[in-house]
Amino acid sequence: GESVGLHLPTLSVQEGDNSIINCAYSNSASDYFIWYKQESGKGPQFIIDIRSNMDKRQGQRVTVLLNKTVKHLSLQIAATQPGDSAVYFCAENGDDKIIFGKGTRLHILP
Amino acid sequence: DGGITQSPKYLFRKEGQNVTLSCEQNLNHDAMYWYRQDPGQGLRLIYYSQIVNDFQKGDIAEGYSVSREKKESFPLTVTSAQKNPTAFYLCASSLQSDNQPQHFGDGTRLSIL
Repeated sequence: GESVGLHLPTLSVQEGDNSIINCAYSNSASDYFIWYKQESGKGPQFIIDIRSNMDKRQGQRVTVLLNKTVKHLSLQIAATQPGDSAVYFCAENGDDKIIFGKGTRLHILP
Repeated sequence: DGGITQSPKYLFRKEGQNVTLSCEQNLNHDAMYWYRQDPGQGLRLIYYSQIVNDFQKGDIAEGYSVSREKKESFPLTVTSAQKNPTAFYLCASSLQSDNQPQHFGDGTRLSIL
């Protein structure tokens, strides 16, 4: 899940397994959520988004799940590959701007 | 290809010096943003602009300044008043809506000499 400390939480996954990255968001009024992937030395890259009128949305190898009751968002990556190694951020639309979580580092084990 | 270009990729600042980071986009986006990212941290909003000739302070605007004279360009100046400027700076843009993703450049890493 998202961390409030200085050290990013790390998820280590065997290559070929599925990855699940979790995020707790803060604003119950948020109605739009985004997942970003950030590789080392690069800017965040858009992966997938979901609006609050949906519980689930699927992309290519990725699925986002939204549970508004407990304000929880998750990103599932199927058949994790070495190229998936990165920091993953969730984001929500706050009152007048996008609010980003602190990120989770995904580490792929050979 | 459309996108956001940040330059330079690496920048060094001497004590007491102002430096300006460039951000250009050809996505025809109205809104542009500047974020600061420190190691192990999320993105913190410095300034944002929703339209040309208008901009608002974000959460950590002190020691920074911006201008938005053209739709395509949103330069950020790190002034000498910013006492801890060493960080990774990210520029983003989006369509003018709450429900649109922001598109990011590849950042500028600023260090102090």
